[in-house]
Amino acid sequence: DTAVSQTPKYLVTQMGNDKSIKCEQNLGHDTMYWYKQDSKKFLKIMFSYNNKELIINETVPNRFSPKSPDKAHLNLHINSLELGDSAVYFCASSPGSGGAREQFFGPGTRLTVL
Amino acid sequence: DQQVKQNSPSLSVQEGRISILNCDYTNSMFDYFLWYKKYPAEGPTFLISISSIKDKNEDGRFTVFLNKSAKHLSLHIVPSQPGDSAVYFCAASGNTGNQFYFGTGTSLTVIP
Repeated sequence: DTAVSQTPKYLVTQMGNDKSIKCEQNLGHDTMYWYKQDSKKFLKIMFSYNNKELIINETVPNRFSPKSPDKAHLNLHINSLELGDSAVYFCASSPGSGGAREQFFGPGTRLTVL
Repeated sequence: DQQVKQNSPSLSVQEGRISILNCDYTNSMFDYFLWYKKYPAEGPTFLISISSIKDKNEDGRFTVFLNKSAKHLSLHIVPSQPGDSAVYFCAASGNTGNQFYFGTGTSLTVIP
């Protein structure tokens, strides 16, 4: 009964490969997010989707493409992986606009690019 | 440019004493502030929040104070317990409610 789940938890891959990280939430939330936490522990938003529509797209290389097949899923696909993509990626969800704005985070995916 | 800053990377406190974690922000349009707690190998979990119309919000051992004029908020934990040892992130959002800015976290160690 995990609220926000991510797979895989660990991902080790070579430079130049393409990989995907999946995220699912069972909270019925309207809004989902992807965050990147770099080596300096800075948690920075990458994308936000509301009801399957992209609402926030921060300055992120085009190699990163989010896909939301439905309200409960937000996947992250990364093309041509680079060393600098190594980080922990967190998916999160929140109820959406209005009211309390707390986010519920997944356990994170540690991506290591060799 | 970081709009939310936590200038103390770490803090150690004796069990039973008060822990005070600080956070500063630069954007006066922020109207909602949150604190998250994070254990190793887990995602952040929501702890407490405060709207800009308030200056204090309390939930059990946790109290958040907001000083809008100073653009400063703090989290007080009293009494501190060893289980509180974690990294604490503060976050802020504007009136759209969709964009959140996080600080870099403060690692709290509560010494038994």
